[in-house]
Amino acid sequence: KAGVTQTPRYLIKTRGQQVTLSCSPISGHRSVSWYQQTPGQGLQFLFEYFSETQRNKGNFPGRFSGRQFSNSRSEMNVSTLELGDSALYLCASSSSGTGYNEQFFGPGTRLTVL
Amino acid sequence: SQQGEEDPQALSIQEGENATMNCSYKTSINNLQWYRQNSGRGLVHLILIRSNEREKHSGRLRVTLDTSKKSSSLLITASRAADTASYFCATSGEETSGSRLTFGEGTQLTVNP
Repeated sequence: KAGVTQTPRYLIKTRGQQVTLSCSPISGHRSVSWYQQTPGQGLQFLFEYFSETQRNKGNFPGRFSGRQFSNSRSEMNVSTLELGDSALYLCASSSSGTGYNEQFFGPGTRLTVL
Repeated sequence: SQQGEEDPQALSIQEGENATMNCSYKTSINNLQWYRQNSGRGLVHLILIRSNEREKHSGRLRVTLDTSKKSSSLLITASRAADTASYFCATSGEETSGSRLTFGEGTQLTVNP
């Protein structure tokens, strides 16, 4: 099976712009979660989608949003970018979304905000 | 904020030696997973241990879990230079729904050839 894929791998944006990141989970997996990784804050949970429904949300401002499509692919959007949004954004997929199964991560999207 | 703490923050050893990393967490869990990350790339899944398990092996990896102490350890035996990476523990908690993971701060392992 192919692993989790994320596009694009690298992005450079300027403050005030918006960005959309994409994640394709492992075939058959219905749960997709998003995480932000920064040197200062470490790995922090953004949100989780299961069967097109957001099931869980982390402590991030409303500028961060996401959605999941019927084929389980997910996108996350960040509007009005700030310098502090520069980070590695990782998505993870899981088969059941119950919290009992392994979660597999993609290679990440490195976002740089100038 | 991170639920867990990992100890040590950095570890430097010689090839062939064993490396032990520890992880502590604060709340009850369903399971605990260990991941490896090379130079800011994606997280590679290493092993999952469930809350009712005490020890698990996978190749050169041995993971233990002590739910009474809310701690876990990852042992890498006969380390290789290619094991140089950051290692993270992540918990899936009973009190959270879905697949939400809470990560420790990670241990940076350097294996010198």
